[in-house]
Amino acid sequence: GENVEQHPSTLSVQEGDSAVIKCTYSDSASNYFPWYKQELGKRPQLIIDIRSNVGEKKDQRIAVTLNKTAKHFSLHITETQPEDSAVYFCAARTPSGNTPLVFGKGTRLSVIA
Amino acid sequence: ETGVTQTPRHLVMGMTNKKSLKCEQHLGHNAMYWYKQSAKKPLELMFVYSLEERVENNSVPSRFSPECPNSSHLFLHLHTLQPEDSALYLCASSQGSRNTEAFFGQGTRLTVV
Repeated sequence: GENVEQHPSTLSVQEGDSAVIKCTYSDSASNYFPWYKQELGKRPQLIIDIRSNVGEKKDQRIAVTLNKTAKHFSLHITETQPEDSAVYFCAARTPSGNTPLVFGKGTRLSVIA
Repeated sequence: ETGVTQTPRHLVMGMTNKKSLKCEQHLGHNAMYWYKQSAKKPLELMFVYSLEERVENNSVPSRFSPECPNSSHLFLHLHTLQPEDSALYLCASSQGSRNTEAFFGQGTRLTVV
């Protein structure tokens, strides 16, 4: 089955700097790659996703890149703000029936003011 | 609210108790999931139900018993749990026929004493 690796497990950046989180996946059939943000005490919520027919997607300060050949995808947050502090999870899913999302182990991002 | 509701939000139970967690989704989705979130294994998939049939059981101990009476409701019955089962239990749903995001409930924080 699919296996998703995520790095780093913790990340601290100064406010205004950029943050990058990287994930790799094992199943070349995977074609959907969402990123979730989980604030303390809250549920994980989707912040951006990308499908395999696209190499890059951007939404304001957040961008995701996908390299299908290398089987890795990354989340980029620019001009970080204290409210970006949270745990971020990447995930991958194959298109086979109702397969569930397989999540990475998460990255705890701290933005220092 | 995201349309996925879990009750109770917090639960403390003894090792000999029997309790149930409830999840309800109002999004018209046809797939529902139970995830366990702990410090050691963030977002660990437990069960997948598609069209009310269980399609995946990730080697979860029999002291956890899921039930999906219809596409809107999902239960997790708990029996003779261990202290190491203490965790946040998250329910999620998605539209399985389309490769889209999963929506999470707010979770049940379970403490086994």
